[in-house]
Amino acid sequence: SQQGEEDPQALSIQEGENATMNCSYKTSINNLQWYRQNSGRGLVHLILIRSNEREKHSGRLRVTLDTSKKSSSLLITASRAADTASYFCAFWNSGNTPLVFGKGTRLSVIA
Amino acid sequence: GAVVSQHPSWVICKSGTSVKIECRSLDFQATTMFWYRQFPKQSLMLMATSNEGSKATYEQGVEKDKFLINHASLTLSTLTVTSAHPEDSSFYICSARPTGTGANVLTFGAGSRLTVL
Repeated sequence: SQQGEEDPQALSIQEGENATMNCSYKTSINNLQWYRQNSGRGLVHLILIRSNEREKHSGRLRVTLDTSKKSSSLLITASRAADTASYFCAFWNSGNTPLVFGKGTRLSVIA
Repeated sequence: GAVVSQHPSWVICKSGTSVKIECRSLDFQATTMFWYRQFPKQSLMLMATSNEGSKATYEQGVEKDKFLINHASLTLSTLTVTSAHPEDSSFYICSARPTGTGANVLTFGAGSRLTVL
């Protein structure tokens, strides 16, 4: 399956700073999602953006989608130590094919 | 909200034994469930797609006789690691896709950490 690419692979910031993670993909998509994974745990869905949307907000999260560049970004504003986790973008290639995950960005927020 | 229960959360077993991991959707029906494997600091690797009432679809390179998947009901899928060996030690995660239209979001179990001695 076509995996997404994320950068950076790891990001370390101070509490209160903003964190930006990027995701690129190669296929056509109907929507793109972002998930969060705390160490040793399952994934939690954060936000979904449809292909006809350019930007979406949810609390301190802001997601953008540029289908012409096949890329998306996740911005976490005013980060907190509790935001420390791995973040994955994910998308369905088509139909009933499995959800494809990016390689993930490991975010560390230092108090 | 949708909840998926995965059990056990961790298991240690001897080489050669079999281990069963359960993935149960608690408040919704899931025609399709997915099983992933994750190595430390890496992304999720899809192992197989589990379809209720039919055979699972395995990804390339995943041994179906080694990783037995059963999806006998709309709320339960099981993964059995047969004749486990140390190289099977990993973090296994299941996810469920709610039955019905517009089911774009997956709900994940908390994962099962398998250690084979």
